[in-house]
Amino acid sequence: DQQVKQNSPSLSVQEGRISILNCDYTNSMFDYFLWYKKYPAEGPTFLISISSIKDKNEDGRFTVFLNKSAKHLSLHIVPSQPGDSAVYFCAGGSQGNLIFGKGTKLSVKP
Amino acid sequence: DTGVSQNPRHKITKRGQNVTFRCDPISEHNRLYWYRQTLGQGPEFLTYFQNEAQLEKSRLLSDRFSAERPKGSFSTLEIQRTEQGDSAMYLCASSPRLRDRRKPFYGYTFGSGTRLTVV
Repeated sequence: DQQVKQNSPSLSVQEGRISILNCDYTNSMFDYFLWYKKYPAEGPTFLISISSIKDKNEDGRFTVFLNKSAKHLSLHIVPSQPGDSAVYFCAGGSQGNLIFGKGTKLSVKP
Repeated sequence: DTGVSQNPRHKITKRGQNVTFRCDPISEHNRLYWYRQTLGQGPEFLTYFQNEAQLEKSRLLSDRFSAERPKGSFSTLEIQRTEQGDSAMYLCASSPRLRDRRKPFYGYTFGSGTRLTVV
């Protein structure tokens, strides 16, 4: 039972353009949703979160949108930079553990 | 505080041997989590502690796995009689306790992980 799904294993965008990473979930009890970024041989690094009572959170070039009726969230990166190339994980959770998706590998080409 | 520290970074062991990993969380965080990640997958939850109490264990945590956090500070994860299927990256994370979802949540802080290879 995959509670958090990232259906696109990879995404390639041009530097300066928008990157949109998508995530679907099935568990309505999640209180928070988070995006993590991961480079090879390192642990995941927290990027941005959104509470289930909000529909948008913005932090610099990163914006997360939450559509509760569709059980869908997305991460927008504008403008994309080559240093953004990494694997991005979506996760949902409440007071306990986080449930992660399988990740989307983003490649930003100069 | 330098973040979440995990030791060792890499471990190669023969099948059937026991291994133990250590995690030192951020000192003011009272929650500590263990996750496992294999190639092409996201981190999979194993167990978590609040202070010294182990509050939840995943079905992934078979009876060969045991985790402790004896004084509510560092934690150890032991795998007995290792199998090749145990080969993975073992990640530790820590966080303060969530209290109010109206407040920002800055996520868990992960360590760099311990890469286990069972040969």
